[in-house]
Amino acid sequence: QKEVEQNSGPLSVPEGAIASLNCTYSDRGSQSFFWYRQYSGKSPELIMSIYSNGDKEDGRFTAQLNKASQYVSLLIRDSQPSDSATYLCAGHPMDTGRRALTFGSGTRLQVQP
Amino acid sequence: GAGVSQSPSNKVTEKGKDVELRCDPISGHTALYWYRQRLGQGLEFLIYFQGNSAPDKSGLPSDRFSAERTGESVSTLTIQRTQQEDSAVYLCASSIRQGVAQPQHFGDGTRLSIL
Repeated sequence: QKEVEQNSGPLSVPEGAIASLNCTYSDRGSQSFFWYRQYSGKSPELIMSIYSNGDKEDGRFTAQLNKASQYVSLLIRDSQPSDSATYLCAGHPMDTGRRALTFGSGTRLQVQP
Repeated sequence: GAGVSQSPSNKVTEKGKDVELRCDPISGHTALYWYRQRLGQGLEFLIYFQGNSAPDKSGLPSDRFSAERTGESVSTLTIQRTQQEDSAVYLCASSIRQGVAQPQHFGDGTRLSIL
């Protein structure tokens, strides 16, 4: 089992809709999670971080964390074609002793105009 | 600098040659990370530095790969006797310090192509 898992997609939503991106993780001790956006041919760009259970909102983005279910999600409201990218979920696992983030393989989002 | 700077942005070399990739982290960031991303794949952790020491080298795929860092500044990733499977984008990231709550900020990467 991968430490951080994401559906590769593509997830296709119409412009103006809510895009829901999901991520599960295997290390119950993980404490912090990050969502990165990566446009084709570009490097990952940090868009959200979340450390505690519940919701965290920033503009059109809402990150949700449920540690009991080991589940992280990212909601994008009023999706725009410019949101079309691959979204990477990353967690900080504790049991491996590793100090770097563990990334999922990403979900490709397509927002249809 | 304002962001993480990597050079070169592109490198094409013949199989068997050595290559050196450079990363200049955000000023004041003590933690530095190297990742590899193959085409269409996720990020693969290689190595991280806290200051100029490397507590975690577990991701280096073989002894052909090595990295060093001078103080809390520039890091170089060296690949010796390159192989075609080394072709990938090599990404460097830095964070203000190592810790569970510290986000990492990425450079634009070096696209390495082995002929």
